[in-house]
Amino acid sequence: DAGVIQSPRHEVTEMGQEVTLRCKPISGHDYLFWYRQTMMRGLELLIYFNNNVPIDDSGMPEDRFSAKMPNASFSTLKIQPSEPRDSAVYFCASTPRATGLSMNTEAFFGQGTRLTVV
Amino acid sequence: GQQVMQIPQYQHVQEGEDFTTYCNSSTTLSNIQWYKQRPGGHPVFLIQLVKSGEVKKQKRLTFQFGEAKKNSSLHITATQTTDVGTYFCAGPYGGTSYGKLTFGQGTILTVHP
Repeated sequence: DAGVIQSPRHEVTEMGQEVTLRCKPISGHDYLFWYRQTMMRGLELLIYFNNNVPIDDSGMPEDRFSAKMPNASFSTLKIQPSEPRDSAVYFCASTPRATGLSMNTEAFFGQGTRLTVV
Repeated sequence: GQQVMQIPQYQHVQEGEDFTTYCNSSTTLSNIQWYKQRPGGHPVFLIQLVKSGEVKKQKRLTFQFGEAKKNSSLHITATQTTDVGTYFCAGPYGGTSYGKLTFGQGTILTVHP
């Protein structure tokens, strides 16, 4: 498997524009996470899905952010309109659920998307 | 607010010195994970601890899970320049033993040759 695939790797956009980040999780993984990383706030969990269903979006900063997972192999994180303070590295991660143990197993991260909003 | 605290935030060591980072949770955890992120890279899983008082070793790395399952530590013996990076602990929050994988702020390790 190629691992978790994110696109684009880098995105530079102007304030007010819509930005869409994409993620392809590892096949067979039940959970998908979106994280945002900045120097000030560290690695923040934005939202996570279980079997394509959003479970907890309490980390989504505001209504400008939305995430979808239309099927098991694809997820998007959209920012509309984008603002300079959204500049960060956005990571997608997926993990299987350990059978019979009811706990997370190893999370596999994508390479991340470095977003710059000017 | 942040549910898992890591200290120190930064650590500078000379190559060959030991290094320890600590993770403290506001709630009891069913399990805890540790990750390493190299500069410019993405977090990579190191290990998962599940049992109270558990100790695991990976070469020069020693991981411990506290008896109360609210704290954990990572100790590196005789650091090398390849150990440079940010070390994160992570645990499941949200009232269940799995799912909401939340990371600490991380400890940035710099190793001077």
